[in-house]
Amino acid sequence: DVKVTQSSRYLVKRTGEKVFLECVQDMDHENMFWYRQDPGLGLRLIYFSYDVKMKEKGDIPEGYSVSREKKERFSLILESASTNQTSMYLCASSLMGRVLSPLHFGNGTRLTVT
Amino acid sequence: AQTVTQSQPEMSVQEAETVTLSCTYDTSESDYYLFWYKQPPSRQMILVIRQEAYKQQNATENRFSVNFQKAAKSFSLKISDSQLGDAAMYFCAYRSGSGNTPLVFGKGTRLSVIA
Repeated sequence: DVKVTQSSRYLVKRTGEKVFLECVQDMDHENMFWYRQDPGLGLRLIYFSYDVKMKEKGDIPEGYSVSREKKERFSLILESASTNQTSMYLCASSLMGRVLSPLHFGNGTRLTVT
Repeated sequence: AQTVTQSQPEMSVQEAETVTLSCTYDTSESDYYLFWYKQPPSRQMILVIRQEAYKQQNATENRFSVNFQKAAKSFSLKISDSQLGDAAMYFCAYRSGSGNTPLVFGKGTRLSVIA
């Protein structure tokens, strides 16, 4: 089974801190994604990557950056955390070129910025 | 841009009964794929069912089936013989058939199952 592992299940950070959310997948998937999940807003795409060192902006990239130095790892970075970034963050991966290939999700990181 | 609309923020169903969750989408494409994902309280999002737009036959996976109405751009999920373990958030999602594009998700429907 594909496993997508997010480094933290819960995280509490202070306003202005630099925050790293890590995601690792073990199935050699080309595509990796970061979504943000908020009540009443569903899942919104922050960034995605289809190859090492490649990244594409999603619908809400402002205030975030990403890094993909290795195929299996996709990091989401909050350069200066703000309270409006308090949310659930979901990482996912999938195979490239197979439209029916499902997304495999991690368990999510619930981030609180105080 | 494609959009996905789930008009029911919350639904409830009695155990063993049938429930239908609604989803509509907006697209000008002819080649696309539709999905339903389930997110239980454990937060692990899993794929429930998927449908290719070019197929007229509705997809079925055990107790889960879809009613795909392409002209109406509707993709509802029917859960038969509901079980307590079906309680979850359900998300409808759209994927373009062209290019390596991400899924677009609806806002979700929270389903409660009453014993």
